[in-house]
Amino acid sequence: DQQVKQNSPSLSVQEGRISILNCDYTNSMFDYFLWYKKYPAEGPTFLISISSIKDKNEDGRFTVFLNKSAKHLSLHIVPSQPGDSAVYFCAALNNAGNMLTFGGGTRLMVKP
Amino acid sequence: EAGVAQSPRYKIIEKRQSVAFWCNPISGHATLYWYQQILGQGPKLLIQFQNNGVVDDSQLPKDRFSAERLKGVDSTLKIQPAKLEDSAVYLCASSSGTFYNEQFFGPGTRLTVL
Repeated sequence: DQQVKQNSPSLSVQEGRISILNCDYTNSMFDYFLWYKKYPAEGPTFLISISSIKDKNEDGRFTVFLNKSAKHLSLHIVPSQPGDSAVYFCAALNNAGNMLTFGGGTRLMVKP
Repeated sequence: EAGVAQSPRYKIIEKRQSVAFWCNPISGHATLYWYQQILGQGPKLLIQFQNNGVVDDSQLPKDRFSAERLKGVDSTLKIQPAKLEDSAVYLCASSSGTFYNEQFFGPGTRLTVL
């Protein structure tokens, strides 16, 4: 039973364009969401997060949008750069604040 | 600041053998996590320690997996005996508190069971 799903295993984008990575969840008790970025042979690193009381959080080129009614969030990267090529994981935090549930990841390839 | 250290980075064993992984968290981090990441999937939490006590091990297959965190610092994760489906990357992470604080991940140990 996957509570956090990333339905696109891969995404290819041209440098300078927008990358949009999507994530859906099923558990309405999740109240904090995070995006992690993972390069090969490295552990995931935290990228950006959003609380369920917000619908948008922006940090430089990265913006996360949350649609609670649809149980959907997305990560926008504008403009995309070749160095953004990595696997991106969406994760949700339980309301006890101690367990992260990860999606399966989306591999982003930004072409020069 | 030194990151989370893990060893070995790679391990190949045959099924039914035993294997152990080691993790050294960031200095001062009270909370330590072990995750299993199967190819094509996201990390799945196996066990969470707060200092040297277990907070959550509900997803740890206790018939073959065990973990300990002696003295509340380093941790080891053991699999005995290993099965083919245990092939995965085992990630260790640490954070400074129990309620959500940013988790810092180590590079992982890639286990291949033949």
